[in-house]
Amino acid sequence: QLQLQEAGPGLVKPSETLSLICTVSGASITSGSHYWGWIRQHPGRGLEWIGTVYYTGKNYYNPSLESRVTISLDTSKNQFSLELSSVTAADTAVYYCARTHGGYCDSSNCLTAFDPWGQGTLVTVSS
Amino acid sequence: EVVLTQSPGTLSLSPGEKATLSCRASQGFSSRYIAWYQQKPGQAPRLLIYETSSRATGVPDRFSGSGSGTDFTLTISRLEPEDFVLYYCQQYGSSPGTFGQGTKVEVK
Repeated sequence: QLQLQEAGPGLVKPSETLSLICTVSGASITSGSHYWGWIRQHPGRGLEWIGTVYYTGKNYYNPSLESRVTISLDTSKNQFSLELSSVTAADTAVYYCARTHGGYCDSSNCLTAFDPWGQGTLVTVSS
Repeated sequence: EVVLTQSPGTLSLSPGEKATLSCRASQGFSSRYIAWYQQKPGQAPRLLIYETSSRATGVPDRFSGSGSGTDFTLTISRLEPEDFVLYYCQQYGSSPGTFGQGTKVEVK
């Protein structure tokens, strides 16, 4: 059964870099049949797609975050990671990793639903 | 980007009743790429419906999706006690993919 688990610091200081890892079990991130993504949920409900990565290292980012986001892979550990630089209080959210479901990805865009999701990890930005 | 507006914000119904949740897009997009998710307290969203009307694996058939253009609907034919939670729509037909703000289904 496919499972995803996020891990990382729950508290990050303003202007620093948020770093999270997603460990995948029950499937290989290099199988090529799916992509892998990060989504966040701000307090009070709002969900926001952050970015998606393919096992080749090809990345797709939300334009609103693109200048601050890096998603990378560690295939030896079956993990993918998220880095978000220069964080502010507006980056306080629950961060989820997920596998893509359906949709399509091409050279420019990656438009998919997500299933399943990890349980999520709350990251608070505060000094 | 496409803005999704879900209505109502809160839906108050009784077990056994039919629930109709709306998701309206600020502009059309050339696909049927709408998904619906269910979120229980303290849990991650769970995919219910993809491509407007296809049920995800294991989703009961009381959940159905429909719509086209800019108007989409999630229908729960007969509410079970575990259905009184949050629901989100997502469009993935126009970049970047975006989510609605959610509809809470509560017990009347």
